[in-house]
Amino acid sequence: DIQMTQSPSSLSASVGDRVTITCRASQGISNSLAWFQQKPGKAPKSLIYAASSLQSGVPSKFSGSGSGTEFTLTINSLQAEDFATYYCQQYDIYPFTFGQGTRLEIK
Amino acid sequence: QVQLVQSGAEVKKPGASVKVSCKASGYTFTDYGISWVRQAPGQGFEWMGWLSTYNGNTNPAHKFQGRVTMTTDTSTTTAYMELRTLRSDDTAVYYCARGNSQDGAVDFWGQGTLVTVSS
Repeated sequence: DIQMTQSPSSLSASVGDRVTITCRASQGISNSLAWFQQKPGKAPKSLIYAASSLQSGVPSKFSGSGSGTEFTLTINSLQAEDFATYYCQQYDIYPFTFGQGTRLEIK
Repeated sequence: QVQLVQSGAEVKKPGASVKVSCKASGYTFTDYGISWVRQAPGQGFEWMGWLSTYNGNTNPAHKFQGRVTMTTDTSTTTAYMELRTLRSDDTAVYYCARGNSQDGAVDFWGQGTLVTVSS
């Protein structure tokens, strides 16, 4: 199975900051990488697919980049509603595996 | 608008089976597949398998092969996931998620179904 490793596991930031989360795959996955946001007690929300394409309705403050084995999610101008846990997922090869999550907290 | 509405919470005893439903609306059901994903309490996500709503083909994760069955009913635009021989570590929230038929990329999620396995 492809292992997905996110860093950092947790991150403290302030409103207005820009943050970057990294996701590394144990082998190349082309650009078959998605990012999700999850708030406590809620279902995940899809943010990005194909490494850098925004899902419909997702604000442009979210951006993704990368291909192969290294990917990043950047969130600009953090607002209160952005504090959540973020997950990456590869969908290149079965089983489609997830990173362990990055918890973004308010500083 | 796209909606995936899942069945309600379940409490099961070890060794029993559970069947979770996922009712889709707001799009052409057979144009997209369904991924099933679970999340144990306080944990991350575990992908369980892929279901083609077009032809019923499935790709279960190796870990669940022989214990999970994913099916589709196009007449009611509903996908189902049955997990058998439940253990306490199957306690989790189970999600269905709509996926692109070409590559499996997920765009919409159901609200989740809590399955509790306890004697």
